Amino acid sequence: DQQVKQNSPSLSVQEGRISILNCDYTNSMFDYFLWYKKYPAEGPTFLISISSIKDKNEDGRFTVFLNKSAKHLSLHIVPSQPGDSAVYFCAARENSGNTPLVFGKGTRLSVIA
Amino acid sequence: NAGVTQTPKFRILKIGQSMTLQCAQDMNHNYMYWYRQDPGMGLKLIYYSVGAGITDKGEVPNGYNVSRSTTEDFPLRLELAAPSQTSVYFCASSAGSRNGYTFGSGTRLTVV
Repeated sequence: DQQVKQNSPSLSVQEGRISILNCDYTNSMFDYFLWYKKYPAEGPTFLISISSIKDKNEDGRFTVFLNKSAKHLSLHIVPSQPGDSAVYFCAARENSGNTPLVFGKGTRLSVIA
Repeated sequence: NAGVTQTPKFRILKIGQSMTLQCAQDMNHNYMYWYRQDPGMGLKLIYYSVGAGITDKGEVPNGYNVSRSTTEDFPLRLELAAPSQTSVYFCASSAGSRNGYTFGSGTRLTVV
């Protein structure tokens, strides 16, 4: 039973355009959401996060939107660059105890020059 | 500043062999985690630890053991390796349960 779902295994976008990566969750106890980026042969690295008390968080070219009623979040990358080509993981955490992050399956983004 | 260091980077095991995947962090983080990544399957939690002497099972603990005798080290032990344990293993650490994780670069394990 997947609690964090990334339904698009891959996405291709032209350089300079917007990349939109989507993530859905089922656990209503989740209150903190993160995006990680992973290059081949490297570990995931933290990209951006959002708390459930917000609906938007922006960091440079990266913006995460949270729609709690729909249990949906999205990562927008504008403008997309070839160096953004990587696998992006959505992750979520419950609001109690020491429960670790739950990760989605990831979306492979390819930015074409 | 090394962060999270995993060794070895690659390993091939025969069915039934055992090995220990090493993980060390130099950030004085209390929380440490082991995940495995299978192709197209994302990251699944094997075990985690909230401090020295404390470990807990994750989603897929069967076939693995861990220990946490120091804050810095969190080794993952595979006993009686099986082909189903072929995967990429990632160790991570965090300062607290509400902090982001720092990941190691992974260990690619093949069981034949």
